[in-house]
Amino acid sequence: QQQVKQSPQSLIVQKGGISIINCAYENTAFDYFPWYQQFPGKGPALLIAIRPDVSEKKEGRFTISFNKSAKQFSLHIMDSQPGDSATYFCAASIDNNQGGKLIFGQGTELSVKP
Amino acid sequence: NAGVTQTPKFRVLKTGQSMTLLCAQDMNHEYMYWYRQDPGMGLRLIHYSVGEGTTAKGEVPDGYNVSRLKKQNFLLGLESAAPSQTSVYFCASSYSTGRRQPQHFGDGTRLSIL
Repeated sequence: QQQVKQSPQSLIVQKGGISIINCAYENTAFDYFPWYQQFPGKGPALLIAIRPDVSEKKEGRFTISFNKSAKQFSLHIMDSQPGDSATYFCAASIDNNQGGKLIFGQGTELSVKP
Repeated sequence: NAGVTQTPKFRVLKTGQSMTLLCAQDMNHEYMYWYRQDPGMGLRLIHYSVGEGTTAKGEVPDGYNVSRLKKQNFLLGLESAAPSQTSVYFCASSYSTGRRQPQHFGDGTRLSIL
């Protein structure tokens, strides 16, 4: 019940296209859903996050869509660029004053072809 | 602005050897975390700390020990290394929750156990 399932495992998109990565969770107590971006040889870095009281959050070319009833959320990258090539992780956590532990998805390796 | 610094960056050990991974943060963060990253499995939490002198188990704590004697440092120890502990280890830190704060990651330690 603590798992977060992420798909696809890898994704190839042409420059200018839309990249879509999906995540699903079971634990309805999760109340914070961040996405992290990781470049080769680097640690993950927060990209964008959403709370379950909103259905969508947009920051530049990056949008999170959240479906509370389906227990699913997704990352959309509009006008994908070669510089977006990285591994993306969705995550979920519970704000229970016990460290804000994150449960990560399995990761998606995105490659944007020029 | 060093952020989160991990040492060493690479290490090769023989089965049964011991070692300590060091994480240092200069952001005065209360919370610190150790993760391991394996292909297709995302990041899994090993141990975490909600403040100086405190530690707690995460998702995969077996075979590891941690200490947080100083607020800025979080040490991860392998007492008797096993090949299954070959992985990339990431340390992260964050402010205490109340409002969601992002976790800031180091660039990882690549550890091979032969």
